[in-house]
Amino acid sequence: GAGVSQSPSNKVTEKGKDVELRCDPISGHTALYWYRQSLGQGLEFLIYFQGNSAPDKSGLPSDRFSAERTGGSVSTLTIQRTQQEDSAVYLCASSDRPQGDGYTFGSGTRLTVV
Amino acid sequence: AQSVSQHNHHVILSEAASLELGCNYSYGGTVNLFWYVQYPGQHLQLLLKYFSGDPLVKGIKGFEAEFIKSKFSFNLRKPSVQWSDTAEYFCAVSPFYNNNDMRFGAGTRLTVKP
Repeated sequence: GAGVSQSPSNKVTEKGKDVELRCDPISGHTALYWYRQSLGQGLEFLIYFQGNSAPDKSGLPSDRFSAERTGGSVSTLTIQRTQQEDSAVYLCASSDRPQGDGYTFGSGTRLTVV
Repeated sequence: AQSVSQHNHHVILSEAASLELGCNYSYGGTVNLFWYVQYPGQHLQLLLKYFSGDPLVKGIKGFEAEFIKSKFSFNLRKPSVQWSDTAEYFCAVSPFYNNNDMRFGAGTRLTVKP
């Protein structure tokens, strides 16, 4: 597609429920990233996928968080047993080459845990 | 892993004032450096980047940044800000040989008063 697409754009969930956030990167982009943007916390790295290599999961804040990327394209970030502190905007970005012009970001999913 | 510090959390300026936003990074090797901007209600977008060569980099909308290797800094500057520059600014760093591992600073919110 023309840009990075994320869905849903907004999600309100009850504490303890699981949520899935979806990212559709730009077609052909081999690298895909998830970041979390919290009020006053800036941009926090979560995980990135590069081609068929094992993902770098070093930024995932707890084992309640997981992500997968199927077929080298669409990615799903799953948060299990959501907590109020998980409330944030979850951003996805993709990149097409090792030294490209930076990332192209999606518009994010705003997650609110009540 | 590399890390980025942005010491100014919120900067308030009047129109036509000069701007300098600080960015310092920590990494033992050669780096790529970026500034991203997020205007209210919009995606993160690339403002400028440094890979190699002239350490003074010019970006869009009159912004520039200078890479000072000895200080591990990549400060963003603009000689005369406009109300439309009100946004959040993020500095980011990646290892030179692996742009697919970008870490962001916490961001600086710039408010320009008309």
